[in-house]
Amino acid sequence: GNSVTQMEGPVTLSEEAFLTINCTYTATGYPSLFWYVQYPGEGLQLLLKATKADDKGSNKGFEATYRKETTSFHLEKGSVQVSDSAVYFCALLRGGGFKTIFGAGTRLFVKA
Amino acid sequence: EAGVTQSPTHLIKTRGQQATLRCSPISGHTSVYWYQQALGLGLQFLLWYDEGEERNRGNFPPRFSGRQFPNYSSELNVNALELEDSALYLCASSLASGGGQPQHFGDGTRLSIL
Repeated sequence: GNSVTQMEGPVTLSEEAFLTINCTYTATGYPSLFWYVQYPGEGLQLLLKATKADDKGSNKGFEATYRKETTSFHLEKGSVQVSDSAVYFCALLRGGGFKTIFGAGTRLFVKA
Repeated sequence: EAGVTQSPTHLIKTRGQQATLRCSPISGHTSVYWYQQALGLGLQFLLWYDEGEERNRGNFPPRFSGRQFPNYSSELNVNALELEDSALYLCASSLASGGGQPQHFGDGTRLSIL
């Protein structure tokens, strides 16, 4: 079946540190891949997406590359800020009427 | 463009009562999804509606039910509330369910059971 595995958190970094949150997936076919971010007290916001192999999604300094050979979609940011503190969810969606599968979420704390 | 709106923002109930949560999708979106997010945990998929029909259901008891109206808005009903139903309930919408369309989320309804 389809599944998404994220690295367990919490991840604690100092401001301006490099961020990587690992995400791997299992799916048949060619799913679309997403990263969502949830700030405290809010719903999830779509952060970036990639719809085919080797696509790179990017937004707000975050980026992730769809790697079919390693079935991965790791989230990276070169220099995190305190305002990036949130929970990050990796997700996949197969077309053709299948529902989105979310990872368990990774909480990020950024210290000033 | 207005986003997904959910009401109420907060809802306080006691055990055994019934709760109704409402969701208005983004204009043009026909699919609506409901999730439960308990404190500190990930998203648990509840229900998926598309074009007025229930397409899929998560592993929740029958006292969790819902419907989608002709204008694509949706209600989630929870009967015989239990303490463990306390959670943030998130609604999301998307364009037609095929084609890799991402879900867009509302800010949720915080349901507290006393």
